[in-house]
Amino acid sequence: DSGVTQTPKHLITATGQRVTLRCSPRSGDLSVYWYQQSLDQGLQFLIQYYNGEERAKGNILERFSAQQFPDLHSELNLSSLELGDSALYFCASSVVSGDEQFFGPGTRLTVL
Amino acid sequence: DQQVKQNSPSLSVQEGRISILNCDYTNSMFDYFLWYKKYPAEGPTFLISISSIKDKNEDGRFTVFLNKSAKHLSLHIVPSQPGDSAVYFCAASALTSGTYKYIFGTGTRLKVLA
Repeated sequence: DSGVTQTPKHLITATGQRVTLRCSPRSGDLSVYWYQQSLDQGLQFLIQYYNGEERAKGNILERFSAQQFPDLHSELNLSSLELGDSALYFCASSVVSGDEQFFGPGTRLTVL
Repeated sequence: DQQVKQNSPSLSVQEGRISILNCDYTNSMFDYFLWYKKYPAEGPTFLISISSIKDKNEDGRFTVFLNKSAKHLSLHIVPSQPGDSAVYFCAASALTSGTYKYIFGTGTRLKVLA
């Protein structure tokens, strides 16, 4: 158990819909990262937050957005969903940027 | 453009033998490298790391080697055990615009045969 929690575990929705994925980092970790893993793909970095502020952006689509709240939990919002958005979405946290990251169990999103 | 490449999608090794997983990178600014292990239905877990100032780091049965001139790193597992069967991701990081960005490879699925 990494100490990072993600909800929900599974999500099935239809194209055009909007979903929110939630992540609670390990206690004491200030950095939160979001990754997408599609079939046969590596982990694609989406976005990083540090203590409530956006720190780095990766290959995140404009239809996707994220935020980190004062209690340090983070949410990833995916809108106008397309079939190709079906993937595993992982959240990771670290004490500070550059430290080893601890991953949550992931949310499997299926868009039908 | 895949900056971190794991060219072998899968590898099978006999229990007790050595497993060697390879990773190549293209960005010479990467200065920190990590290996993560991932079991099905779980998130990746950190295994071992190496800084660019070193060429080898060892932790029990796991050793990571870094060849900066070849932009290549490898993970050696000796002896391999059935419980090592998992997907292994290598990752590289560089300080970019004041923060560290991690780039992951596509993973190598290791199967250790009993």
